Amino acid sequence: KAGVTQTPRYLIKTRGQQVTLSCSPISGHRSVSWYQQTPGQGLQFLFEYFSETQRNKGNFPGRFSGRQFSNSRSEMNVSTLELGDSALYLCASSFVRDRSTGELFFGEGSRLTVL
Amino acid sequence: QQPVQSPQAVILREGEDAVINCSSSKALYSVHWYRQKHGEAPVFLMILLKGGEQKGHEKISASFNEKKQQSSLYLTASQLSYSGTYFCGTEPTNAGKSTFGDGTTLTVKP
Repeated sequence: KAGVTQTPRYLIKTRGQQVTLSCSPISGHRSVSWYQQTPGQGLQFLFEYFSETQRNKGNFPGRFSGRQFSNSRSEMNVSTLELGDSALYLCASSFVRDRSTGELFFGEGSRLTVL
Repeated sequence: QQPVQSPQAVILREGEDAVINCSSSKALYSVHWYRQKHGEAPVFLMILLKGGEQKGHEKISASFNEKKQQSSLYLTASQLSYSGTYFCGTEPTNAGKSTFGDGTTLTVKP
């Protein structure tokens, strides 16, 4: 079955702009999590959505937001971009068992460069 | 609070063994392990649940000490394909949010 699909794969923006990233989870997966990955910082949790509701949120400023649609597809938005927002943004979907997210299936990521 | 992984980096020769550790200050519901190769997405390897259930890769094993909130990933008879960065992800007992360690870079040389 198809994996997690993220679009766009690469994008370049300038400071002050905003960006929207999209994630289509594996069919049947209702949980979508977003992570920011930068060299030396590992994977930093942004937020997790389940059934269109944000269930958990990491320690990122309000410029980072997201949403999930009824078909489980998710988008994340970053407004007023800063140079430090340059990173690989990874989306992961999972089939939720109980309240645990269980194993995560990652997309290939959207690489954002802010100039 | 993210889990702590050790060591930060390991260099091995083919056929050697390695152990990667992950510890958390919080009570855990599950620990999961991923491997990421350069330029690729992290790939799931193993999940260990509170209570002993395990699920994952045939050639890789792991342990989960629930009392100490520690997990170890055991890579035996390493192959060149094992090279990559290994991340542990932890999920607290109040569930729903998986946070990751900073990763352990494993390099296997011929």
